[in-house]
Amino acid sequence: QVQLVQSEAGVKEPGASVKVSCKASGYTFTTYGISWVRQAPGQGLEWMGWISPYNGDTNHVQKFQGRVTMTTDTSTSTAYMEVRGLRSDDTAVYYCARNAGAVGAFDIWGQGTKVTVSS
Amino acid sequence: QSALTQPASVSGSPGQSITISCTGTSSDVGRFNLVSWYQQHPGKAPQLLIYGVNKRPSGVSNRFSGSKSGNTASLTISGLQAEDGSNYYCCSFAGSTTWVFGGGTKVTVL
Repeated sequence: QVQLVQSEAGVKEPGASVKVSCKASGYTFTTYGISWVRQAPGQGLEWMGWISPYNGDTNHVQKFQGRVTMTTDTSTSTAYMEVRGLRSDDTAVYYCARNAGAVGAFDIWGQGTKVTVSS
Repeated sequence: QSALTQPASVSGSPGQSITISCTGTSSDVGRFNLVSWYQQHPGKAPQLLIYGVNKRPSGVSNRFSGSKSGNTASLTISGLQAEDGSNYYCCSFAGSTTWVFGGGTKVTVL
């Protein structure tokens, strides 16, 4: 079936980097965009950015400029998001989600990856 | 890009209908018919309920319906059931492959 499976949770020290993976299966990876959404503890959903596995085009919220890099590996149908310079307010569950169509809704979600930033 | 505005909480009795509003701007909700709604149970990933303002994916109950007027979109849950108690989020396409979510609404079934 169509699914996105994310990497496991982790604890990182402030200033470190984390790279979350999102492996797609059950569909043609290059046909749909992948968005990254995060949710801080007790808070709402925050869209972070988008990548096209077809051509590598990306877009992201300005606040993450310079700290977030999104990539894909089409040979393994896997999307990655790296966040650098982690701060305590980056503590959140990070989700990848498939965009249904070029500007579409998020129809398939990964299970989430909990990233805790703590010394 | 500011978050869309949703009420923090809405409640209703079993069998009643409730409506959750989602207010954006003329740059997002008002500009595109690309509003979607998600249900999220605690500790779980969100699930798509409504897309394209008023379309339901297969498998989603027809008790869920969406609409839009101007800069405000709405999700209506009719025939409220205990299992509908959850958190609900709206989301709008905002142009140039960007999206914006609402702050979320907690629905309580009394």
